[in-house]
Amino acid sequence: SQQGEEDPQALSIQEGENATMNCSYKTSINNLQWYRQNSGRGLVHLILIRSNEREKHSGRLRVTLDTSKKSSSLLITASRAADTASYFCATDNFNKFYFGSGTKLNVKP
Amino acid sequence: SAVISQKPSRDICQRGTSLTIQCQVDSQVTMMFWYRQQPGQSLTLIATANQGSEATYESGFVIDKFPISRPNLTFSTLTVSNMSPEDSSIYLCSVEVGTSGSNEQFFGPGTRLTVL
Repeated sequence: SQQGEEDPQALSIQEGENATMNCSYKTSINNLQWYRQNSGRGLVHLILIRSNEREKHSGRLRVTLDTSKKSSSLLITASRAADTASYFCATDNFNKFYFGSGTKLNVKP
Repeated sequence: SAVISQKPSRDICQRGTSLTIQCQVDSQVTMMFWYRQQPGQSLTLIATANQGSEATYESGFVIDKFPISRPNLTFSTLTVSNMSPEDSSIYLCSVEVGTSGSNEQFFGPGTRLTVL
C-alpha cells in the first residue's frame, strides 16, 4: 500500500484540550508534511519537517519526527472548534508524496 | 507557493464515458502529480507528470485508464476513461515547490466526479 498509517483514525476532544495525532511510514524519506482538510474542501499545508530535524513548531502546532522509528506526531495545543477537520501526514519519498490514512479530529465547543 | 486551478470543479457523468480534468498552475513547475481521493479516504497517488516525458504511474493505475498530458510547465490534464461508478472520487492535482529537502506540495481545489 502507498499509504502510511495514522492513529487514531478519529479523535474527539473538548475545546481547549490538546490533540495528538501519530503517523508511521515505511521507507526512507526526504521530509514529512502535515495537511489539514476541512470536510469536502481542499488540502491546506500546515508544516514541513525535514528528515534531519526532530521537532518543529508553528503557532499552536508542534511536529516531531523520529526517523529511527519511522514515525511522526502532530500536536495541536489549546484546540478550537475551527480545528475540526481531517489531518493527513504525507511523506516526501524523493519526488513522490504518499499520504497517510488520516485522522478525523472533532473539537467540541 | 503556487496557485493551482482545476476544471471542472465537479461533474456528473454516465458510465462508459470519459472526462478530462485540467490543471493550471500560476508558475512553471517541473513535476505535477495527480491524486485520487475516494469518499472518506485518504489521497492515493495516481501518477507523476513531467513535462516532455511520459507520466509515471503508480501500482494499480494504468495509462489506458488514466491518460495524462503535460504539454508545458504550467499545465496538465488527466483523463478518466471508460468510467464506472467506482471512479467516483475527488481528483486533485498538485505541484512541488521549493529547494531540495524542503519541497512543499500545493494542491488544486479538486474535481469532484460522480459516475452514474
